[in-house]
Amino acid sequence: DAGITQSPRHKVTETGTPVTLRCHQTENHRYMYWYRQDPGHGLRLIHYSYGVKDTDKGEVSDGYSVSRSKTEDFLLTLESATSSQTSVYFCAISVAGNYGYTFGSGTRLTVV
Amino acid sequence: TQLLEQSPQFLSIQEGENLTVYCNSSSVFSSLQWYRQEPGEGPVLLVTVVTGGEVKKLKRLTFQFGDARKDSSLHITAAQPGDTGLYLCAGALTNNNDMRFGAGTRLTVKP
Repeated sequence: DAGITQSPRHKVTETGTPVTLRCHQTENHRYMYWYRQDPGHGLRLIHYSYGVKDTDKGEVSDGYSVSRSKTEDFLLTLESATSSQTSVYFCAISVAGNYGYTFGSGTRLTVV
Repeated sequence: TQLLEQSPQFLSIQEGENLTVYCNSSSVFSSLQWYRQEPGEGPVLLVTVVTGGEVKKLKRLTFQFGDARKDSSLHITAAQPGDTGLYLCAGALTNNNDMRFGAGTRLTVKP
């Protein structure tokens, strides 16, 4: 069984609509992260969480919000989707950042 | 401009050849990690190095962290088609949760 799952795997949405992506873990890890991956940019950190209701901004947080009401779930919300947010989104979990991350399989989001 | 520059961007070689890919920065990292990513999947952790000058071996893969903790290299001996993938380096800045990734080296090993 995968210790981390993302849903949905693919989504197409219209500009201006809100979108929520879900990350679920069964490893009971304290740290959870949301990244986006774009050609030529690699993976860039959007937000991360270091505990229930404890979150912080990453490198590219504008236009995104997150929530973590339970240890196992970390939600990423695009308040009003724009075409520049078309990307592949990855969730990751970690015991501690410098121990390495376990990534989910990603969500491919297309904003039209 | 990427904080971590990886080179080369693309590498295509024949099975059995050796290769080295590089990860360079002007910043100092508390730790550095290497991942491999296959199409449609998330990156998978290969190794974490934390001490300047550290060398780690994982079967045919050898990872080295620079003495100044600003750069790293990955050497593959006798590459196999199964080594094909996108190799990413990632460095942890002062805040271990601020992990910065390079854009990756896309390796293709032909049979």
